[in-house]
Amino acid sequence: ILNVEQSPQSLHVQEGDSTNFTCSFPSSNFYALHWYRWETAKSPEALFVMTLNGDEKKKGRISATLNTKEGYSYLYIKGSQPEDSATYLCALHGGTSGSRLTFGEGTQLTVNP
Amino acid sequence: EAGVVQSPRYKIIEKKQPVAFWCNPISGHNTLYWYLQNLGQGPELLIRYENEEAVDDSQLPKDRFSAERLKGVDSTLKIQPAELGDSAVYLCASSFTGETQYFGPGTRLLVL
Repeated sequence: ILNVEQSPQSLHVQEGDSTNFTCSFPSSNFYALHWYRWETAKSPEALFVMTLNGDEKKKGRISATLNTKEGYSYLYIKGSQPEDSATYLCALHGGTSGSRLTFGEGTQLTVNP
Repeated sequence: EAGVVQSPRYKIIEKKQPVAFWCNPISGHNTLYWYLQNLGQGPELLIRYENEEAVDDSQLPKDRFSAERLKGVDSTLKIQPAELGDSAVYLCASSFTGETQYFGPGTRLLVL
């Protein structure tokens, strides 16, 4: 059983603040790391798929980095907006293609206007 | 392109009653997943299909849960009988070649 941990569990920031969360995972048996954003009453939305150590990906104000050797990924949001309020999930894709995703518990972000 | 469709979106039933959820994956996606998400936790895989074959159902409680994916497209997940602890969100996802998974909005089940 793979253990994927996310911190913090929840986060409240003011509009305009920049913020970041952490996803930790076992560094062995790594295939890919996924980040999802899940807004209430909507479908989880795929943000990034990261596979290589040192990967950095960016989508608008959101970016992510990956360190497979030490087993962590950071998600950054620059200039948070109320519409960024959501639960951010990371998921480890271990072993080989086709194997299951193991999700963390998520970081619930609330951006206050 | 239409996303993953799930129905119903919400379901309230009494314990010991049966319940069924339906999922229509993205067209052309051969892999279909059912996840269970309990409050405050991440989604956990229940079953994964490659076309019509269930290739990973090790986490499906087979005494009360069943699933099928006839013709390798739509899928149904059934619980019979439902228990109080089954209250959760049931998510369906699909992917092509097992890469990025695209999720539906989920079915929120409340068992009273």
